[in-house]
Amino acid sequence: SQKIEQNSEALNIQEGKTATLTCNYTNYSPAYLQWYRQDPGRGPVFLLLIRENEKEKRKERLKVTFDTTLKQSLFHITASQPADSATYLCAPSNDSGGSQGNLIFGKGTKLSVKP
Amino acid sequence: DAGVTQSPTHLIKTRGQHVTLRCSPISGHKSVSWYQQVLGQGPQFIFQYYEKEERGRGNFPDRFSARQFPNYSSELNVNALLLGDSALYLCASSRLGGGEKLFFGSGTQLSVL
Repeated sequence: SQKIEQNSEALNIQEGKTATLTCNYTNYSPAYLQWYRQDPGRGPVFLLLIRENEKEKRKERLKVTFDTTLKQSLFHITASQPADSATYLCAPSNDSGGSQGNLIFGKGTKLSVKP
Repeated sequence: DAGVTQSPTHLIKTRGQHVTLRCSPISGHKSVSWYQQVLGQGPQFIFQYYEKEERGRGNFPDRFSARQFPNYSSELNVNALLLGDSALYLCASSRLGGGEKLFFGSGTQLSVL
C-alpha cells in the first residue's frame, strides 16, 4: 500500500537556522507533491506544489526539492523565525482521473523554532 | 472573498447518535473534499465531490455519507457514532477536480462521549 513517511515527529531548531524537513514515499509514483502548514486547531494551509519534472521550487524563504529516483522531497525554511513554528504536512499525488481532492497526507513534522 | 467555512466549529455527541457537518466552499470552487484528522495524525481522505457527483471515497465505513448541493456546499453525515469517530473534520475546496492546491476550512471538532 502507499506509504508516506516524514522524517521525524518533531524538529527543534534555533532562530536564524535552516530547517530541513523530509518526506519519503513508497509504493507509488506521484506526478506532483504538495506541502502544507498546519497550526493547532486550524486547517492546513497550502505552501508549495512541485511537479515531477521540476527539481526545485522556491517561494520567499521556502525551498522544495523533489527526487523521483530517491522517492523523496526535502522542504527547507531558511532564516527560520519563531512564527514558522507549526506542523508541516507533505502530500504526494497522482494526476489522474480528476479525483485530486483525494490527497494522501503524511503524519507531519512539528517544527519548533526557538528564539 | 470568504474562505471555506464549516459549521459547527465544535460538537459533542454520545455514542449511537448521528451528526451532520456542513461546509461552504470558496465562491467559484466546484470541488469539495472531506477529511478526518485524529490527533497526531495527518488528515485522512473521506470523500470528494465535484459538480455534485462523488469522485472519490476513502476507506471509511458506510456509516459515513456525504452530498453536494447545487450551490456546491456540502454535508457530511455520520451515523451510529463511535468513540473512535472523535476527530477534527476538515472540508477543503478547489476550483477543479484535479491537480491543484486545496483550500481548507478550520474544521469541526467532534467529540463522541
